Amino acid sequence: QSALTQPRSVSGSPGQSVTISCTGTSSDVGGYNYVSWYQHHPGKAPKLMIYDVSKRPSGVPDRFSGSKSGNTASLTISGLQAEDEADYYCCSYAGSYVYVFGTGTKVTVL
Amino acid sequence: QVQLQESGPGLVKPSGTLSLTCAVSGGSISSNNWWSWVRQPPGKGLEWIGEIYHSGSTNYNPSLKSRVTISVDKSRNQFSLKLTSVTAADTAVYYCAKRGANYVFAFDIWGQGTMVTVSS
Repeated sequence: QSALTQPRSVSGSPGQSVTISCTGTSSDVGGYNYVSWYQHHPGKAPKLMIYDVSKRPSGVPDRFSGSKSGNTASLTISGLQAEDEADYYCCSYAGSYVYVFGTGTKVTVL
Repeated sequence: QVQLQESGPGLVKPSGTLSLTCAVSGGSISSNNWWSWVRQPPGKGLEWIGEIYHSGSTNYNPSLKSRVTISVDKSRNQFSLKLTSVTAADTAVYYCAKRGANYVFAFDIWGQGTMVTVSS
């Protein structure tokens, strides 16, 4: 299983929107609606932000949204805030009870 | 609210065995959840290592399967990771995580992580 491909970094000014892509294959992202997204501040525990492609756990602001088209999933952060600056990872179920993470994207708030 | 805490040696010699434990608090390890290990090498992304159910059923990352054993200790409410024949490439922050009834295909609770360095 190869890691899912994410852009190394994205940036935006406060209030703007940024979108992070997560590209896999038909064996993972494209084959299942089980993509999740995690926010990771260095030195802290990763935090689940999106599951099942587009669902938000309780407590996650609705500024965070997820979608998928074909083999590519996306996380959009609308109304970017300073506290959103972190690393973000996608993860997909890849069949046969295996999970694969993305390469990670650093979000910078300018 | 379930909490997870990793523990174990921070330094392992090359060719040795890495052993870590994840203590589960605030809930039972025998609940309807899968208990996972995930790692992050320095400067790199996350990698799923494998998981275990309280029954002892396991799933492993195919790329690590030959070297990994995950076990559960229900009496101590904890689960463990053993990784054999380690090299410098196994140097990483190791996290334990949970996926379960509410988030069947996502990891909703994570430990803080523990750094393991493979070096002589």
